Amino acid sequence: AQSVTQLDSHVSVSEGTPVLLRCNYSSSYSPSLFWYVQHPNKGLQLLLKYTSAATLVKGINGFEAEFKKSETSFHLTKPSAHMSDAAEYFCVVSRNQGGKLIFGQGTELSVKP
Amino acid sequence: DGGITQSPKYLFRKEGQNVTLSCEQNLNHDAMYWYRQDPGQGLRLIYYSQIVNDFQKGDIAEGYSVSREKKESFPLTVTSAQKNPTAFYLCASMRGSTSTDTQYFGPGTRLTVL
Repeated sequence: AQSVTQLDSHVSVSEGTPVLLRCNYSSSYSPSLFWYVQHPNKGLQLLLKYTSAATLVKGINGFEAEFKKSETSFHLTKPSAHMSDAAEYFCVVSRNQGGKLIFGQGTELSVKP
Repeated sequence: DGGITQSPKYLFRKEGQNVTLSCEQNLNHDAMYWYRQDPGQGLRLIYYSQIVNDFQKGDIAEGYSVSREKKESFPLTVTSAQKNPTAFYLCASMRGSTSTDTQYFGPGTRLTVL
């Protein structure tokens, strides 16, 4: 069975400092992993996805994530936070069945000026 | 513009009433999905459809119904049997149904039961 755990429900950073949002997964096969971002009362937007190609995945808006099989992790990072990055972030694993997804609980990112 | 539209953005319902949420996509995607989002929780799958005239229950289908008569449309009905329907509802679509495909989301409908 697949599952995903986001280790922090809330992360607060200062503008211009690095961002780290942590995600661990469990999967019985080689997973596809995604990070989505959701701004208040909006739909979800894909930041990046891993599908067994390069383990370091670059996404939009300067975000990237590294797939580490040995640690079963897929942490999201950004070198320098911007005020517009404040949002909810979801780590997602594919169930490999009908395109269904399993969502983490979400991490709310706050960015202080 | 290609994308997914959901209407209405906000919806209020009295207890005991059925209500239908609209989801339309012009991306020519085969698969469509409905999710429910509650505060502080991830998304939970209600129903999904991989092809016209066919759909399957997700993890929390009780109290909901769907139809898929057209490729571009996947309406969700919240029935009076749904005990706690107040939530944010998100529709998504995907070109195929493999694990590597990407789901694209609409802007959502916030349903409030009065």
